[in-house]
Amino acid sequence: KQEVTQIPAALSVPEGENLVLNCSFTDSAIYNLQWFRQDPGKGLTSLLLIQSSQREQTSGRLNASLDKSSGRSTLYIAASQPGDSATYLCAVRDFSGSARQLTFGSGTQLTVLP
Amino acid sequence: SAVISQKPSRDICQRGTSLTIQCQVDSQVTMMFWYRQQPGQSLTLIATANQGSEATYESGFVIDKFPISRPNLTFSTLTVSNMSPEDSSIYLCSVESREMYTEAFFGQGTRLTVV
Repeated sequence: KQEVTQIPAALSVPEGENLVLNCSFTDSAIYNLQWFRQDPGKGLTSLLLIQSSQREQTSGRLNASLDKSSGRSTLYIAASQPGDSATYLCAVRDFSGSARQLTFGSGTQLTVLP
Repeated sequence: SAVISQKPSRDICQRGTSLTIQCQVDSQVTMMFWYRQQPGQSLTLIATANQGSEATYESGFVIDKFPISRPNLTFSTLTVSNMSPEDSSIYLCSVESREMYTEAFFGQGTRLTVV
């Protein structure tokens, strides 16, 4: 059974700092991996989707990498802003079982201090 | 991307009552998914809803407690029945876009508090 772990659980940084969020998964036979942002009490906003054949994806100040063989993904946020404060979730989609089922990590709660 | 409208956005309910959550998508989709996020926890899949067939429930979730309707390709409802304080969670509707390599999109969620 796939397990997804996100470290750290919480992170506080000053504005302008570059930062990295980590996601690891136990079964490397994945279909894709997706990073989401969740504001308190709200739904999820898709940030980046990485297919299993890809190494990274970029969108604005965000860059996500995928190392399938080691079971790791990172989300890099450049020049952080207070508006980036949210919980960031990674989710892995497996080939095995239901190919449509996502397994979520528990998230990293990011606070960017002005 | 898909635009998903979920109603209500939040509610406070008495124990023993039921709440029906609606999910409307701006395009036709084959499958719709319902998740639960308990306080401080990550997301857990409740069930998958296909149009024209019964929903498929994950382990630990049953139809009597979480009945789901899927009357057409753009709409679904989830009912939380006979609620108890343990049902206090955020409930989220999700769809996937095959055209975008199975990227998942979520509604804004329903924040349910049972008192």
